[in-house]
Amino acid sequence: AQSVAQPEDQVNVAEGNPLTVKCTYSVSGNPYLFWYVQYPNRGLQFLLKYITGDNLVKGSYGFEAEFNKSQTSFHLKKPSALVSDSALYFCAVRDGDNFNKFYFGSGTKLNVKP
Amino acid sequence: NAGVTQTPKFQVLKTGQSMTLQCAQDMNHEYMSWYRQDPGMGLRLIHYSVGAGITDQGEVPNGYNVSRSTTEDFPLRLLSAAPSQTSVYFCASSQTGIWYEQYFGPGTRLTVT
Repeated sequence: AQSVAQPEDQVNVAEGNPLTVKCTYSVSGNPYLFWYVQYPNRGLQFLLKYITGDNLVKGSYGFEAEFNKSQTSFHLKKPSALVSDSALYFCAVRDGDNFNKFYFGSGTKLNVKP
Repeated sequence: NAGVTQTPKFQVLKTGQSMTLQCAQDMNHEYMSWYRQDPGMGLRLIHYSVGAGITDQGEVPNGYNVSRSTTEDFPLRLLSAAPSQTSVYFCASSQTGIWYEQYFGPGTRLTVT
């Protein structure tokens, strides 16, 4: 079965500090991984994706993610957090048996304090 | 370019009523999908479509119907609303292929009493 886990419901970080939002996955075949961000009362916005190639993926708004195949992880990172980064973050994976299906994690609320 | 649009933004239904949630996209995307978002459960796929006339079930399809008569539109129908269908519904679209991310609409908040 395909699945995504985001083990932390909430992450708190001070502005200017580095942040990490964790994601682990389980999928048959090659993983195709995505991060999305959701601001209050809005739809999801795409941040970055891993399809193939370099394990470090760079995306929008200074975010990056590290793909680790042996640990089946795809953690989202940013070197210096901003208060405006406060939002709900979702990790998603394509179904390895049916690429038209996606599985999302439960979401991690990021709070960046001034 | 409006992207993905959804109507209505809010809706309150009584148990047993039916309704259609509208979704449209102007990006000529072949792939469209519907999700529901519930607290602590992330997004779960209800139905998806890979082109006009082609639909298939996702993870939680029971109680919902879809059809795709045009590339632009992908309505979601609730046949007989139940309180368990209280949720926020999102429509998304993308180009076809493993490389492409989805574009999401603003959502419809549905309450069934």
